[in-house]
Amino acid sequence: AQRVTQPEKLLSVFKGAPVELKCNYSYSGSPELFWYVQYSRQRLQLLLRHISRESIKGFTADLNKGETSFHLKKPFAQEEDSAMYYCALSGSGNNDMRFGAGTRLTVKP
Amino acid sequence: DAGITQSPRHKVTETGTPVTLRCHQTENHRYMYWYRQDPGHGLRLIHYSYGVKDTDKGEVSDGYSVSRSKTEDFLLTLESATSSQTSVYFCAIRTGGNTEAFFGQGTRLTVV
Repeated sequence: AQRVTQPEKLLSVFKGAPVELKCNYSYSGSPELFWYVQYSRQRLQLLLRHISRESIKGFTADLNKGETSFHLKKPFAQEEDSAMYYCALSGSGNNDMRFGAGTRLTVKP
Repeated sequence: DAGITQSPRHKVTETGTPVTLRCHQTENHRYMYWYRQDPGHGLRLIHYSYGVKDTDKGEVSDGYSVSRSKTEDFLLTLESATSSQTSVYFCAIRTGGNTEAFFGQGTRLTVV
């Protein structure tokens, strides 16, 4: 069975500091990994996905198959980054999409 | 809005009553999902559908059933609501595989 673990429920940093949100996964096949974000009073929306290898709003995430991780990073956090972040996994060959418990990021001025 | 709406947006119901939540899409996406969101648990998959009349269970399916009689609608039914089913329910759609999922605005259900 596929599983996503986000070990930090809460994360607080100061504006301009680096931030890393951790995500580990368990899946026997080839995973498709995503980060979704939920800003206050807004819908969940895609932030980025590993297959695109892109940077969105300054965030990047690298899939590390050896460590089964997909950590989200940003070198300089901004106050507008404060939100709930979810890591998600979809297994190749199936379309069952699972999410982690989420990390609430607060960026302080 | 990504062409996905949930109804109702808020509902209060009594223990033991049946409740049906509706997810409607205008995107003709093949895959539809129902999740519940609870503090400390994040989003947990209840059921999902990969086509009309094709559904499968997720990780927390007990006490829930679903139906998809047409592409655009995915219904979630709580057969006999319990207080443990008080939650925020989200519907999502996507075309499949590694594609982006689009979410509805959520339904806040309270079972008293």
